[in-house]
Amino acid sequence: DTAVSQTPKYLVTQMGNDKSIKCEQNLGHDTMYWYKQDSKKFLKIMFSYNNKELIINETVPNRFSPKSPDKAHLNLHINSLELGDSAVYFCATGDGPPETQYFGPGTRLLVL
Amino acid sequence: KQEVTQIPAALSVPEGENLVLNCSFTDSAIYNLQWFRQDPGKGLTSLLLIQSSQREQTSGRLNASLDKSSGRSTLYIAASQPGDSATYLCAVEKGYAGKLIFGQGTTLQVKP
Repeated sequence: DTAVSQTPKYLVTQMGNDKSIKCEQNLGHDTMYWYKQDSKKFLKIMFSYNNKELIINETVPNRFSPKSPDKAHLNLHINSLELGDSAVYFCATGDGPPETQYFGPGTRLLVL
Repeated sequence: KQEVTQIPAALSVPEGENLVLNCSFTDSAIYNLQWFRQDPGKGLTSLLLIQSSQREQTSGRLNASLDKSSGRSTLYIAASQPGDSATYLCAVEKGYAGKLIFGQGTTLQVKP
């Protein structure tokens, strides 16, 4: 059983489109995260949710909107995609405190 | 502002060598520190978590140490194997709802 899964694995789209990435976890953890890994492999937190409540919002453009329909899911919707949005997006869950974070396999987004 | 630096950026060693990866952070007021492994095209796997009150953690051939006062952590890998080839990331948690701040990683290649 995959602990943290993301769909799709790859996403190629045109500038200006709207797209969503889904994340699901079966670990029963209360906290879920979205991270962005840029072309230089630098990993930075975007959002975190705890029990469906937004906890962290890291100066991310409001074109990015996370949605948590339930504790097991945290989806990321991106409006009006830009070239600079091309990156790998990782979903993660946390079991703390103290907290070990468990990452999904990533979604590779390419905006053309 | 917390900054995390990893040195070296890349490392190539022959199989069987013992090696040390370094991580430094600018703000010693951390909640914990984690070491992760990332294989190409994959998500992150947590290797070791050291709480702020601890000095080190061990798992198999891996040993991670933490010196909060000097803002440093090391990951020691004993008897390296080709399967250890990956990028190793350290991340510090400031205690704010699980927010991790990552270094840019050390890419390790172990040659047979």
